[in-house]
Amino acid sequence: DQQVKQNSPSLSVQEGRISILNCDYTNSMFDYFLWYKKYPAEGPTFLISISSIKDKNEDGRFTVFLNKSAKHLSLHIVPSQPGDSAVYFCAAWGGATNKLIFGTGTLLAVQP
Amino acid sequence: EAGVTQSPTHLIKTRGQQVTLRCSPISGHTSVYWYQQALGLGLQFLLWYDEGEERNRGNFPPRFSGRQFPNYSSELNVNALELEDSALYLCASSWDRPPRETQYFGPGTRLLVL
Repeated sequence: DQQVKQNSPSLSVQEGRISILNCDYTNSMFDYFLWYKKYPAEGPTFLISISSIKDKNEDGRFTVFLNKSAKHLSLHIVPSQPGDSAVYFCAAWGGATNKLIFGTGTLLAVQP
Repeated sequence: EAGVTQSPTHLIKTRGQQVTLRCSPISGHTSVYWYQQALGLGLQFLLWYDEGEERNRGNFPPRFSGRQFPNYSSELNVNALELEDSALYLCASSWDRPPRETQYFGPGTRLLVL
């Protein structure tokens, strides 16, 4: 039962353009969402998070949007840079799960 | 400030053996989490320790176990290794449980079971 889904395994974007990574979830009790970036052979690096009481959170080039009615969140990276090329994981916490549940990740490739 | 550290970085074991992985959290963090990332899969939650006690465990068999020491460092033990245990094992720490605090990850230990 995959409660957090990232349906796009990969995404390719030109440098300077916007990257939009999507994530869907099924458990309406999730109340906190996070995005992590992961390079090969390294641990995930925290990027940005959002509480369910908000619908948007911004940090520099990164913005996360939450649509609770659609059970959907997205990460926008503007402008995209080649160094952003990595695997991006969304994660959710809350309800009775008492654990952080991760999506399967989206590989972002930013082309120079 | 030092991040989460894990040891060893890599190791190779054979089926049936036992392995112990180690994790030191960020200074001041009291919660430690363990995750497994098998090839091509996402991060699967294994265990959560806080203040020396196991708070939650994921859907893994009992041969996966661990503990947290008084200095908040942690060990993950895997007994009777199976081929499918080959994976990247990640440790994360936080001051407190989410959503109040975010989890920060170490570099991982890559385990290969032959």
